[in-house]
Amino acid sequence: QKEVEQDPGPLSVPEGAIVSLNCTYSNSAFQYFMWYRQYSRKGPELLMYTYSSGNKEDGRFTAQVDKSSKYISLFIRDSQPSDSATYLCAMSNSGGSNYKLTFGKGTLLTVNP
Amino acid sequence: DAEITQSPRHKITETGRQVTLACHQTWNHNNMFWYRQDLGHGLRLIHYSYGVHDTNKGEVSDGYSVSRSNTEDLPLTLESAASSQTSVYFCASSERLAGTGELFFGEGSRLTVL
Repeated sequence: QKEVEQDPGPLSVPEGAIVSLNCTYSNSAFQYFMWYRQYSRKGPELLMYTYSSGNKEDGRFTAQVDKSSKYISLFIRDSQPSDSATYLCAMSNSGGSNYKLTFGKGTLLTVNP
Repeated sequence: DAEITQSPRHKITETGRQVTLACHQTWNHNNMFWYRQDLGHGLRLIHYSYGVHDTNKGEVSDGYSVSRSNTEDLPLTLESAASSQTSVYFCASSERLAGTGELFFGEGSRLTVL
């Protein structure tokens, strides 16, 4: 079983739709959860991060972590064509000499006007 | 503004040739990383460095090498390029190795090995 699983999509939605992107993981040591956004032919950029379980909201974006289920989600409300990108989840342990950061494979999202 | 730049952005080479991809960052970050990104595999860590003269192997290091002679640069060398190394390569840097220590990525170098 891969440490981090992410459905690659592609996911195509109409403008204004609510988008749900998800990742599951198997490593209980992961405590920090991040979402990176990658536009076509560009490098990934950090979009949001959360620590442990719970929700975090930033404008139209909400990141959710359920550590008991080892499941994280990114919700995009009122999606816009400019949200079209690949979204990668990433997870890390607490740091130190055994720091480990693992990425999901990414989900390609297209928001159609 | 601080940034991370990669060169060349595109390169076509032949099997067996040595290739070096450059990465330069102006954030003065100690931590630098090289990833390759392929369809179906996502981002895979090739090599990383936690400071000058420090280098470490990642999960797909065979056929690649790096050296760190200063804080700003981490060049990636393919000793003898193979078709399996056709990929998009990303360099990244970060200030800290803990928690949500943000990775700053370059724009990528697209390498084709014929």
